[in-house]
Amino acid sequence: QKEVEQDPGPLSVPEGAIVSLNCTYSNSAFQYFMWYRQYSRKGPELLMYTYSSGNKEDGRFTAQVDKSSKYISLFIRDSQPSDSATYLCAMSLEGGYNKLIFGAGTRLAVHP
Amino acid sequence: EAEVAQSPRYKITEKSQAVAFWCDPISGHATLYWYRQILGQGPELLVQFQDESVVDDSQLPKDRFSAERLKGVDSTLKIQPAELGDSAMYLCASSSPGQSMNTEAFFGQGTRLTVV
Repeated sequence: QKEVEQDPGPLSVPEGAIVSLNCTYSNSAFQYFMWYRQYSRKGPELLMYTYSSGNKEDGRFTAQVDKSSKYISLFIRDSQPSDSATYLCAMSLEGGYNKLIFGAGTRLAVHP
Repeated sequence: EAEVAQSPRYKITEKSQAVAFWCDPISGHATLYWYRQILGQGPELLVQFQDESVVDDSQLPKDRFSAERLKGVDSTLKIQPAELGDSAMYLCASSSPGQSMNTEAFFGQGTRLTVV
C-alpha cells in the first residue's frame, strides 16, 4: 500500500462547476500538506499548503485537512478551462529535512 | 520572479550511454531536491541536499546514478549507464529553511529523458 493514495481520474467537469480532489494517507505523523498543479510537460507549481488540520482558502481554492480520517481535499470553485491540469497532493513529516511524499496526481479537464 | 532553472529541457539518449542534468536553484535556497516522475505517477525523491551535503539518497540507484552539489549552489545529476526504465521526467526543486516551512518546495520545468 502506498503512503499517499490519490485517484488518477481523469475527472471531466463543465466550466463553472465545483471540483473536489482528494487524497488519503496512511502515516499519521504527516504534518504538512500541499497541493501542486502540474500542466502538461511542466514542473509542479505550488498551489496551497496547510500545516496540521483545518481549512485554508485562497481565491477559488480551498484546502481541507482532516487528520482524524487521514484525508485531505482541494476544492476549486467556479472552475475554468485554465484549471485543466494534473493536481498532485504532497505531504511531509515535521522537522528535519523531511522529503515530500506525493500522490499519483488527478488529471482534471474543465470543458467550456 | 525567481525560479529554478534546469537544462536540458529534453534529452534523448541510447541505452548504456551516460547522461547528465543540471539544476540551478532559486538564489539563497539551501535545500535542493532531485525528483523522478514516471509518466502517470507522482514525483519520487531521488536525492536531497542541504547546502553541499546529501541528507537523503535512500531512493537513489547508486550503481548507476550520482548527484553532486559541490559548492552548495547548482547541482548535477548523472546516469551511467542509462537504461530503458530510466525514461522519465527529472525534476529539480529548491526550498529555503527561512520560508514558512522547510518543505515549501519550488520546482523547475524538468528534463524529460527518453532512453532508446
